[in-house]
Amino acid sequence: QVQLVESGGGVVQPGGSLRLSCAASGFTFSSYGMHWVRQAPGKGLEWVAFIRYDGSNKYYADSVKGRFTISRDNSKNTLYLQMNSLRAEDTAVYYCAKDLSRLAAAGQAPDYWGQGTLVTVSS
Amino acid sequence: QSVLTQPPSASGTPGQRVTISCSGSSSNIGSNYVYWYQQLPGTAPKLLIYRNNQRPSGVPDRFSGSKSGTSASLAISGLRSEDEADYYCAAWDDSLSGEVFGTGTKVTVL
Repeated sequence: QVQLVESGGGVVQPGGSLRLSCAASGFTFSSYGMHWVRQAPGKGLEWVAFIRYDGSNKYYADSVKGRFTISRDNSKNTLYLQMNSLRAEDTAVYYCAKDLSRLAAAGQAPDYWGQGTLVTVSS
Repeated sequence: QSVLTQPPSASGTPGQRVTISCSGSSSNIGSNYVYWYQQLPGTAPKLLIYRNNQRPSGVPDRFSGSKSGTSASLAISGLRSEDEADYYCAAWDDSLSGEVFGTGTKVTVL
């Protein structure tokens, strides 16, 4: 079955950097786009970024554009999120999620989600 | 970036029918599929409805989705205590070139 396991979360100071990873298994990783979605404590879901199945197209929320970079390594079945210039408002649980559509040019929506990794930005 | 509007709360007694609305615009719901997620306390979201009205395998037929113009709705019939959760709608937004989620609705079973 589909498994998505995030790692790399932790406490970081404002202005710092962090790299999240998501190890995928149970499906053909190289055939599906992938999303990062975050949820601040006690708040709703906020989409962060999407990467096409082959890595050729990437999309970002305005709130993270220019600071975060989504990438993937299809040979390692792993998704990444490089987060730079972190702010207090980036504090959230970050979820990695598989897109519904196979070999799609753009995102549809997540179907399977990981359990999330907590990122806390605080001095 | 919540551009889809949902009521903050909804409630019902066991066995009742509850409906949750999701209001968007021509660039998201009006031109793309709508998805619904259920998030139980302390857990990751789970896909409940995809492509407006389709249920993934394992989702009870008590859950149903519909879409009309720039709005969508999720109906839960035969409400059960285990349905107490947060529910979110979502759609791709062509203007933003990104996914947008609804503001979320907390369902309480009285």
